[in-house]
Amino acid sequence: DAKTTQPTSMDCAEGRAANLPCNHSTISGNEYVYWYRQIHSQGPQYIIHGLKNNETNEMASLIITEDRKSSTLILPHATLRDTAVYYCIVRVPNNQGGKLIFGQGTELSVKP
Amino acid sequence: EPEVTQTPSHQVTQMGQEVILRCVPISNHLYFYWYRQILGQKVEFLVSFYNNEISEKSEIFDDQFSVERPDGSNFTLKIRSTKLEDSAMYFCASGSRYNEQFFGPGTRLTVL
Repeated sequence: DAKTTQPTSMDCAEGRAANLPCNHSTISGNEYVYWYRQIHSQGPQYIIHGLKNNETNEMASLIITEDRKSSTLILPHATLRDTAVYYCIVRVPNNQGGKLIFGQGTELSVKP
Repeated sequence: EPEVTQTPSHQVTQMGQEVILRCVPISNHLYFYWYRQILGQKVEFLVSFYNNEISEKSEIFDDQFSVERPDGSNFTLKIRSTKLEDSAMYFCASGSRYNEQFFGPGTRLTVL
């Protein structure tokens, strides 16, 4: 699975958009980009995933660059409850075992 | 909204004792996983389970660990003889065909 690089930490003002970047320059053609988050002491939570098109759901939007070497997770109106560690994971769905490999992620602090 | 549940939420045991951690995955999911997170560290993959057999396991998942889906609803992780270093949060996850994984709230295992 391709490696990802994320900033260690970010701050965001409550009500503003949070834009979390992820670099995955060695991504291969059949690898998807997944985003998860972990609020303190809770289980990781699935947010969104995509292959090459931009995706949006009720939680967030995922913007993937045309060359697929980087992506951005957008939380359009961050709230205090969005304070968490956000993980960008690149992998092929349904490969053997389907495991997720978590890196260090980005610690997002949403401030009033 | 369906969710993964885990019991107990906290388990305290003596070193050398056997523990069984229980999970009820989301009912129409076919892929099942165990992960662990030692305090302050990354979430680590332990094992994946599909079609009633282990599909992949990590180096952590040695002979002391086993998994079972005894009745078609529960999914269990057994540690035969616990060690101090097994103290961690253990997360169960289940996944659908497209492999978004949904995590339970975790069981905090404390080995004394």
